[in-house]
Amino acid sequence: NFMLTQPHSVSESPGKTVTISCTRSSGSIARYFVQWYQQRPGSAPTTVIYEDSQRPSGVPDRFSGSIDSSSNSASLTISGLKTEDEADYYCQTYDSSYVVFGGGTKLTV
Amino acid sequence: QVQLVQSGAEVKKPGASVKVSCKTSGYTFTTYGISWVRQAPGQGLEWMGWISTYNGNTNYAQKLQGRVTMTTDTSTRTVYMELRSLRLDDTAMYYCARDRAGNWLDPWGQGTLVNVSS
Repeated sequence: NFMLTQPHSVSESPGKTVTISCTRSSGSIARYFVQWYQQRPGSAPTTVIYEDSQRPSGVPDRFSGSIDSSSNSASLTISGLKTEDEADYYCQTYDSSYVVFGGGTKLTV
Repeated sequence: QVQLVQSGAEVKKPGASVKVSCKTSGYTFTTYGISWVRQAPGQGLEWMGWISTYNGNTNYAQKLQGRVTMTTDTSTRTVYMELRSLRLDDTAMYYCARDRAGNWLDPWGQGTLVNVSS
């Protein structure tokens, strides 16, 4: 089995841009889609990016996702940061019948 | 709209079992499977397993094999997760989530807190 590694925490000021990485330890990051979930304290996770780079309806276009095969990683970029973006973010993918989550990144705005 | 509503909080002794329900609405039940995910206090998300609501096929995380059973009731559009031989470190928030194409989990239930305490 493989792991998805995320930075434990990131911090940035309102209005700036932040990128959260998610690196796959083995196997290709491009093999299966990557999702990103936002979790605010006391709430269930909600999707901000699905299928590597798609935004569900209702998610602002300040959120974007990408895949980089050269670094075998996925990235979530949030531009024009708002204080309401402060939350935990988890990447997630799949392989060999198993769903795998990254360890989560705490974003402080 | 699509909704997943879970049963209420549980307090259990070590060694006991717990069964959590996840009642769905707003979509064709048998089109999507259901995954269960848990989150220990202050920790990250841990996938527990998946069940097909079409034929009841299951796929469990290796770590929980032998202790977890997921079942589905098409007549009530409800999925169940039973965890046996509870340990203190099974204390967590348990979530169900609809498993869409590409293994996109969306939406999630509100969560069920299971507290294992002696």
